[in-house]
Amino acid sequence: GDSVTQMEGPVTLSEEAFLTINCTYTATGYPSLFWYVQYPGEGLQLLLKATKADDKGSNKGFEATYRKETTSFHLEKGSVQVSDSAVYFCALGTSGGSYIPTFGRGTSLIVHP
Amino acid sequence: DVKVTQSSRYLVKRTGEKVFLECVQDMDHENMFWYRQDPGLGLRLIYFSYDVKMKEKGDIPEGYSVSREKKERFSLILESASTNQTSMYLCASSLRRGDYSNQPQHFGDGTRLSIL
Repeated sequence: GDSVTQMEGPVTLSEEAFLTINCTYTATGYPSLFWYVQYPGEGLQLLLKATKADDKGSNKGFEATYRKETTSFHLEKGSVQVSDSAVYFCALGTSGGSYIPTFGRGTSLIVHP
Repeated sequence: DVKVTQSSRYLVKRTGEKVFLECVQDMDHENMFWYRQDPGLGLRLIYFSYDVKMKEKGDIPEGYSVSREKKERFSLILESASTNQTSMYLCASSLRRGDYSNQPQHFGDGTRLSIL
């Protein structure tokens, strides 16, 4: 079945450091790919998405590229801020008639001043 | 702005009580979901509903039931609360019609439930 694997956290960085959070997936068909962010005490919210191979999603300085050949969707940001401290979830959209997306376990990011 | 509203942010109940968690969305979405979030375990799907009065079990339905009498409202019921149901509960909704495969889920802010 479909699955998403994210790097384990927490990821701890200093402000202005470069961020990469790895995400790889296994899927039947060609689902859309998503990154969600969960700030402390809140629910998940969509950060960015990509709907087909080689698409790049971007938002708030974050980027991720849909790589079909490596089945990856790594999240990157050039310069993180303290306010980026949150939990990040990689997810497969629905495909093949299913309406239930597949989530990774989440990666906690802690950014120190 | 689109909105998924969960009735309580924090809730404390006693073992054995029947507990109701309510969720309302204003986006006319067909699909609604209840997840449980625990440290190290990510999101686990409890129940899913794709239409009024329709439901499907998720990965961990034991000890829970759901009700969807109106399209905008999806309730999670803990029939007899136990301490191992202490957790964060998240409600979400999504589109079913049209190009739904490209559509994200929309989440509420969660209910942190403690069973004493």
